[in-house]
Amino acid sequence: AQSVAQPEDQVNVAEGNPLTVKCTYSVSGNPYLFWYVQYPNRGLQFLLKYITGDNLVKGSYGFEAEFNKSQTSFHLKKPSALVSDSALYFCAVRAPQRKAAGNKLTFGGGTRVLVKP
Amino acid sequence: GAVVSQHPSRVICKSGTSVKIECRSLDFQATTMFWYRQFPKQSLMLMATSNEGSKATYEQGVEKDKFLINHASLTLSTLTVTSAHPEDSSFYICSARASGGVGTGELFFGEGSRLTVL
Repeated sequence: AQSVAQPEDQVNVAEGNPLTVKCTYSVSGNPYLFWYVQYPNRGLQFLLKYITGDNLVKGSYGFEAEFNKSQTSFHLKKPSALVSDSALYFCAVRAPQRKAAGNKLTFGGGTRVLVKP
Repeated sequence: GAVVSQHPSRVICKSGTSVKIECRSLDFQATTMFWYRQFPKQSLMLMATSNEGSKATYEQGVEKDKFLINHASLTLSTLTVTSAHPEDSSFYICSARASGGVGTGELFFGEGSRLTVL
């Protein structure tokens, strides 16, 4: 069974400082990894994904994430956080499947990011 | 990116009534849609996988007769919460994947529907 762990319930950072949100995963085979952001009472917005290729993935709004196979991690990073980055962030994983139903994502518990001015 | 629309965004109903939530893919066809439930300050819990033209696949512990899912077309899936009770109050989110091969693309999520059962 696949699983995702986000060890931090909340991350506090000052505006302008680097932001890191941690994620580790467990899945059979090569993982497909995703980061989503959720604002209050809203659905999820896609930030970035890793499927294959370069371990450093760049996504929306200046976010990037680094896939580390040996550590089974996919930490989300932003060099300089903005107050508007304050939101709930979810890491997700799925195993590559040939059938459509294989698109089933498993989400981490979420990490609340609070960027203070 | 592709747009997934959910309606209604908020609904309040009395205990014992049924509520239908719609999930539409606006600019693409989706053979598969997923329904999630999210409790306050918690992660998303997959409830079921909705397949166009066939029965939905429910996750363990999710009552099929309680949460009816219909995926009648390539752009619409509905979730009906039957005989709703206060414990069914939650944030329900759908997601969809475009048709035409499995691919590696991300899922597109709706904005969510907050159900409050009085």
